[in-house]
Amino acid sequence: DIQMTQSPSTLSASVGDRVTITCRASQSFTNRLAWYQQKPGKAPKLLIYKASTLESGVPSRFSGSGSGTEFTLTISSLQPDDFATYFCQHYSSHPTWTFGQGTKVEIK
Amino acid sequence: EIQLVESGGGLVQPGGSLRLSCAGSGFTFTSFRMSWVRQAPGKGLEWVANIEEDGSEKFYVDSVKGRFTISRDNAKNSLYLQMSGLRAEDTAVYFCARIGYDKGFDNWGQGTLVTVSS
Repeated sequence: DIQMTQSPSTLSASVGDRVTITCRASQSFTNRLAWYQQKPGKAPKLLIYKASTLESGVPSRFSGSGSGTEFTLTISSLQPDDFATYFCQHYSSHPTWTFGQGTKVEIK
Repeated sequence: EIQLVESGGGLVQPGGSLRLSCAGSGFTFTSFRMSWVRQAPGKGLEWVANIEEDGSEKFYVDSVKGRFTISRDNAKNSLYLQMSGLRAEDTAVYFCARIGYDKGFDNWGQGTLVTVSS
C-alpha cells in the first residue's frame, strides 16, 4: 500500500503569509492526489484534485502541484478562514486509499 | 443541493454491533461510488470502505476486514455500514462520502460518532 507523509505536522503563520504543505508518497503514482481542508467539528472539504485542479468554489489562493512522489499545497496569501487542518490523499490505486496524517495551520 | 446525512452512531460495548446509515439526496445516487471514512478523536482521517455504484464490488481497510460490511440500497438512496466485533480502537466519527469522478471524496456527511466502551 502507498503511504503518505505530510510535513510539517503543525505550521504557525500570519494572515497574508504564503504557506506551503508537502505530501510525500512511499512510491510513485499518477497525479491522483487530493487535498482537503477540515475545521474542528466539521467534515473535510475537497480543495484540490488530480494534484492541481481546483474544486469548484474554492478560492484561487489555493493551488496544488507535484508529481511522482512529492506534492505540495500552497496558500498564496493566508486568510483568517484558512486556519484549519489540511490532509492529502492518494486515490490512484483502488481499492486502498490513504490519507496523510494532516497539517494543522495555526495563527502565529 | 447535495446532502449526505449519517445516522446510527452511539455507545456500544466491545464485541458489540452497530449499523450506520447514510441518506443521500440532491444527486443521482446510482451514478456514484460511495465510501465510509472515519476519524478517531483528535486523530487524522482513515479510509474504511468503498462500494461500487451497483454494489458489485466492495473494498475495505485491512483493520476492518471480516468485521465491517458496506452495502447500499439504491432504491432508497442509502448507504450502510454494518459493524460487528467492535473494538475500542473503532471509536471514531464515521463520515459517509461520495466518490467524485476522478477527484477523491467530493461531498461528505456531517459524521456520526461511534463510541466503543464498557
